[in-house]
Amino acid sequence: DIHMTQSPSSLSASVGDRVTITCQASQDISNYLNWYQQKPGKAPKLLISDASNLETGVPSRFSGSGSGTDFTLTISSLQPEDIATFYCQQYDSLPFTFGPGTKMEIK
Amino acid sequence: QVQLQESGPGLVKPSETLSLTCSVSGGSIGTYYWNWIRQPPGKELEWIGCIHHTGSTNYNPSLKSRVTISLDTSKNQFSLRLQSVTAADTAVYFCARMSNHWGIFEVWGQGPLVTVSS
Repeated sequence: DIHMTQSPSSLSASVGDRVTITCQASQDISNYLNWYQQKPGKAPKLLISDASNLETGVPSRFSGSGSGTDFTLTISSLQPEDIATFYCQQYDSLPFTFGPGTKMEIK
Repeated sequence: QVQLQESGPGLVKPSETLSLTCSVSGGSIGTYYWNWIRQPPGKELEWIGCIHHTGSTNYNPSLKSRVTISLDTSKNQFSLRLQSVTAADTAVYFCARMSNHWGIFEVWGQGPLVTVSS
């Protein structure tokens, strides 16, 4: 299985801050990487596919980059509604695997 | 717009079989791949497996010996059976649709908590 790691595990930032979350795969996954946002008690929501493709309706303050083993999710200006846990997920090979998540909090 | 809704018992006894159904509305189940994903309380997401509209399946090897995913196109539903459950199978169970693009979960159900306990 491809093992996914994320850092940091939690992040506290102020409204308006630029924040970055990193995701690392245990082997080369090209750009086969998605990012999801999960709010408490809700299902995950797809934000970014193919490492950098912003889904329709997702605010442009979200962006993704990377390829190979190292990826980042950036929020250019943190908003109160961005409080959630963010997960990366690889689909280079089965089984699909997710990262452990990064919990975002507002200072 | 496609919506998914899981249904099934919220409590299952150890050693018994967990059974859940996902009902698809607003679209046909006769296309795409349909998935089950679970999340133990406070933990990360785990992909369980998927079924194609043709009936072909893929399972996570960690669960393969205990899992069956099936499709009922007449009811626009697909189902999960997980045998011989233990407390470690306690989780929120999500059904999800994989788009035409393999590996991307674009639509999710709300996910009921299923507790394994006597």
